[in-house]
Amino acid sequence: GAVVSQHPSRVICKSGTSVKIECRSLDFQATTMFWYRQFPKQSLMLMATSNEGSKATYEQGVEKDKFLINHASLTLSTLTVTSAHPEDSSFYICSAKTGYEQYFGPGTRLTVT
Amino acid sequence: TQLLEQSPQFLSIQEGENLTVYCNSSSVFSSLQWYRQEPGEGPVLLVTVVTGGEVKKLKRLTFQFGDARKDSSLHITAAQPGDTGLYLCAGAPSNYQLIWGAGTKLIIKP
Repeated sequence: GAVVSQHPSRVICKSGTSVKIECRSLDFQATTMFWYRQFPKQSLMLMATSNEGSKATYEQGVEKDKFLINHASLTLSTLTVTSAHPEDSSFYICSAKTGYEQYFGPGTRLTVT
Repeated sequence: TQLLEQSPQFLSIQEGENLTVYCNSSSVFSSLQWYRQEPGEGPVLLVTVVTGGEVKKLKRLTFQFGDARKDSSLHITAAQPGDTGLYLCAGAPSNYQLIWGAGTKLIIKP
């Protein structure tokens, strides 16, 4: 299947700092990428849809000024968590869409201290 | 709001037993995917079903899409400890987003 990479896999940052997470589709081009957040023992929660060359579409309740998304190319989308707080600590997963299917990155574990 | 109800949410069985996980909705999906997720990793796509009544097999896993494309099931035969994980179903309605089930945490005891 298609391969999606995510970097970093783990990051620890101090409260008030910003963290950037990269999502890359390695062997296909993706006009649409998705960013999810997952809490322990729960399913994925869609945060936003990232469209190449246009503004991201955010789900209700997700602060667009806090979670900045940039989809600069057909193979790269970035999520920047600005002014991170401990409650932002979570597992963030991206996916890239091709046809019917979405392929997921390995996830990024963010811990804000 | 479209919902996809997945059941059971938790299942712990002995090695060698069979099990079935269900995903049900009142909405029609153009396709439905099944994923498996290990702790600390992203979901891995197992299968996509598209046609009503479709059955797909992946070794000991059998996936079925309902005739009306509103429900799906995952059946595992002779479960093994390596099948342990979180199984997620996700349906694609006419737009491009996925509607996710709550997940089934499966534990196979040796």
